[in-house]
Amino acid sequence: DTEVTQTPKHLVMGMTNKKSLKCEQHMGHRAMYWYKQKAKKPPELMFVYSYEKLSINESVPSRFSPECPNSSLLNLHLHALQPEDSALYLCASSQEGAQSNYGYTFGSGTRLTVV
Amino acid sequence: AQSVTQLDSQVPVFEEAPVELRCNYSSSVSVYLFWYVQYPNQGLQLLLKYLSGSTLVKGINGFEAEFNKSQTSFHLRKPSVHISDTAEYFCAVRTNTGNQFYFGTGTSLTVIP
Repeated sequence: DTEVTQTPKHLVMGMTNKKSLKCEQHMGHRAMYWYKQKAKKPPELMFVYSYEKLSINESVPSRFSPECPNSSLLNLHLHALQPEDSALYLCASSQEGAQSNYGYTFGSGTRLTVV
Repeated sequence: AQSVTQLDSQVPVFEEAPVELRCNYSSSVSVYLFWYVQYPNQGLQLLLKYLSGSTLVKGINGFEAEFNKSQTSFHLRKPSVHISDTAEYFCAVRTNTGNQFYFGTGTSLTVIP
């Protein structure tokens, strides 16, 4: 299995809703990432998990809450989002340490629309 | 600090013509270099990467890139493009010590029939 699977593929939510994005990989990667991507822009790093521990938080608002329940799963909990949070949310994974130069494997993303 | 510059935001090219997408980087430490492609409404797919060794790197879908250390460049080339190559292309660098990628702003390649 060489894929990163993200669910759902599309999500529409109101500003008062609570929802979660899910990401799963079975490649044995120990680093996992959440990126936010606006149209025609490069991905922006949000969070990095290394060995299931949060290692980087790029000053993301608290309405985004990441969770890494185990080495294969990564969640992003959403609450009280704003319309400007509408974007493509990408999950990625990679090897850790000396093998980290192999590059990321990206999921196909969740297209989020906040209304 | 690391940075990546993609000099062309949009590149239109006729089908079966050659194409070059330019990428320059800046870093005070050794880096690994990557090109990713993103088709509409999809995630990013790795095209090729340079880690060490031969400066000419071949990737998927007939793409290749050449690492030039003196010019700090990693330009992507394809001798003959197809309609299916229409996509967004991102150059990225990663240091040999960290997990974080630094992406360029992207180049939108449009292949014209």
